[in-house]
Parts: sequence; C-alpha cells; structure tokens
Amino acid sequence: DAGVIQSPRHEVTEMGQEVTLRCKPISGHDYLFWYRQTMMRGLELLIYFNNNVPIDDSGMPEDRFSAKMPNASFSTLKIQPSEPRDSAVYFCASSGTGGNQPQHFGDGTRLSIL
Amino acid sequence: QKEVEQDPGPLSVPEGAIVSLNCTYSNSAFQYFMWYRQYSRKGPELLMYTYSSGNKEDGRFTAQVDKSSKYISLFIRDSQPSDSATYLCAMSAEGYSSASKIIFGSGTRLSIRP
Repeated sequence: DAGVIQSPRHEVTEMGQEVTLRCKPISGHDYLFWYRQTMMRGLELLIYFNNNVPIDDSGMPEDRFSAKMPNASFSTLKIQPSEPRDSAVYFCASSGTGGNQPQHFGDGTRLSIL
Repeated sequence: QKEVEQDPGPLSVPEGAIVSLNCTYSNSAFQYFMWYRQYSRKGPELLMYTYSSGNKEDGRFTAQVDKSSKYISLFIRDSQPSDSATYLCAMSAEGYSSASKIIFGSGTRLSIRP
C-alpha cells in the first residue's frame, strides 16, 4: 500500500497568500484527520472526517482555516489569508473502522509563512 | 497545565543502553495509552499501545502504565542507532480507534550513539 500521501512536502509563501495542502488517504480508510505540529504546542488535531463528512472541527484555530473532503480519496486544508504564526508541519492521517484501528500518518507538509 | 507532559530531551545514550522515556498526565479518564515513533522528516508511526494499568512487551520495547501515579513509560532494551527518533506518548479516554480524541505529548528526542 502506498500509505497516506501529502503534497506539497514543503511550502514557503508570503503572509496574506492562500495556502492549500492536499492529502490522499489509504484506500479503504474511511476516517481522515488533519493535525498540526509545532515545537511549542506539539501535535494538535485540527479536524477529522468520517465517510467524507466533517465530524469535529473544534481544533481549527480560526475562520482562516477550512478543510474539505470532496470524495473518499482526497482532502484539502486551506489557509486564507496565511499568517507567520501558521508556520508548522501539517500532517494528514487516515484509519479504517472495525474495532480499534490505529491512525496512519503521512510524511507531512512543512509550511513556512514569511 | 497541559493534559499530557513529556520531557522534550534531547536524550543521548550509548548503543546497547537501556532507555527510559516517560510521560505524566492529569486526566484520570484516560484509559488507552500509546507510544508513537517519529523519524526526522516523517510522520508518527504507532509503536505500542496498552489499555489501563500494567506492562506490555514487544521485542526490545516495554510499555508500562501506572494509573495511580498518572505516569507511563516506554523502555527500550539493547538500544540501537536505528532507534534514534522522537518518541511521542499519546492517550485517550475512549480508545485507540479512529474516532477517539487522542492527546499527544510533545515528544522526547532520542539519540543513540554508536
């Protein structure tokens, strides 16, 4: 299996620009998670989907952040407008159902907002 | 106070040493405990998981939970340079599963010197 695929791996952009992060979950998985990792706050859950439906977005920091999952094989996390404090590594993870299934993480997108 | 506290390290030990990594937590509702390993520039991968108190062993790795003290540990025996990574503890009140709200520690950076 190819695992969770994220793109781009690195993104550097200027403050105020729109940023779009992409994720392809493992085929057959019906849960998808977006996390943010920083030195100060560690790994934080932003939002998760079940069967393409957002279930809990309480971790989304503010209205500048939005996430979509138009189909079972694709999700986006968008930041508009971006700010320097959004600089972090953003991870996507997916998992299946049927008992306790661990989350499988992608390799992340390293985002720098100048 | 954070729900989960973890010493960030870095921790440097010689090859072959026994390593002890620890986390403390404040939420007595946590029942499910996990350890993730994260290599540089990679996403976290689930290493071990345990339920409630007690020990669990898997090869060179032993996970230990002391709920009375709200303290969990991961021991690595005969440590290898390939064990060099950041280790994150994680815990949940609901399960290891997809829908569980999992709280992560900030991670301990471990380096094994050849």
